[in-house]
Amino acid sequence: GQSLEQPSEVTAVEGAIVQINCTYQTSGFYGLSWYQQHDGGAPTFLSYNGLDGLEETGRFSSFLSRSDSYGYLLLQELQMKDSASYFCAAASNNAGNMLTFGGGTRLMVKP
Amino acid sequence: DGGITQSPKYLFRKEGQNVTLSCEQNLNHDAMYWYRQDPGQGLRLIYYSQIVNDFQKGDIAEGYSVSREKKESFPLTVTSAQKNPTAFYLCASSIWREAPEQYFGPGTRLTVT
Repeated sequence: GQSLEQPSEVTAVEGAIVQINCTYQTSGFYGLSWYQQHDGGAPTFLSYNGLDGLEETGRFSSFLSRSDSYGYLLLQELQMKDSASYFCAAASNNAGNMLTFGGGTRLMVKP
Repeated sequence: DGGITQSPKYLFRKEGQNVTLSCEQNLNHDAMYWYRQDPGQGLRLIYYSQIVNDFQKGDIAEGYSVSREKKESFPLTVTSAQKNPTAFYLCASSIWREAPEQYFGPGTRLTVT
């Protein structure tokens, strides 16, 4: 089967840097996506890693290491509006090319 | 503006009734998906469709049914056979099935009592 593990909750202060880790066990894996979801809202796409290494998009960066079955989302210069849940999602050939989502990490940013 | 619409935002039903959730997109996307989200949990795939008149079961299809008669529309019916239907239902679409970026609708929160 497919499974992804993320911490359930992370707390940080405004202006800080936070890293949200994601480990996966996914046969036929070919990439890792990250989504943000505010309470009661729709998930929105943040980034995708199809290759090992770091992808940077403004204050957000995402990293993938296939050899370690591991990725992370890095959020810099945290703002109060970054308080949300963050999901990693693995794309797998063996899952009909569907995305399998992790359980999500709830980030609380404090003043 | 292009996007995905879901209606209604909140839906209440009595146990034993079937209910259909609407999902419409004007992004000209081929692939569409239905997910279920329970409080504090991730998203679980119910059904997906690559093209019109074709759809496949996801991980938790039991008690649900879908249709894809038009490219723009992918309604989900929650049947009385679904044992625990109260949940937040999200519809999504992507350019093609392999695309890592999915666009989500605002969701429908279904409560069955």
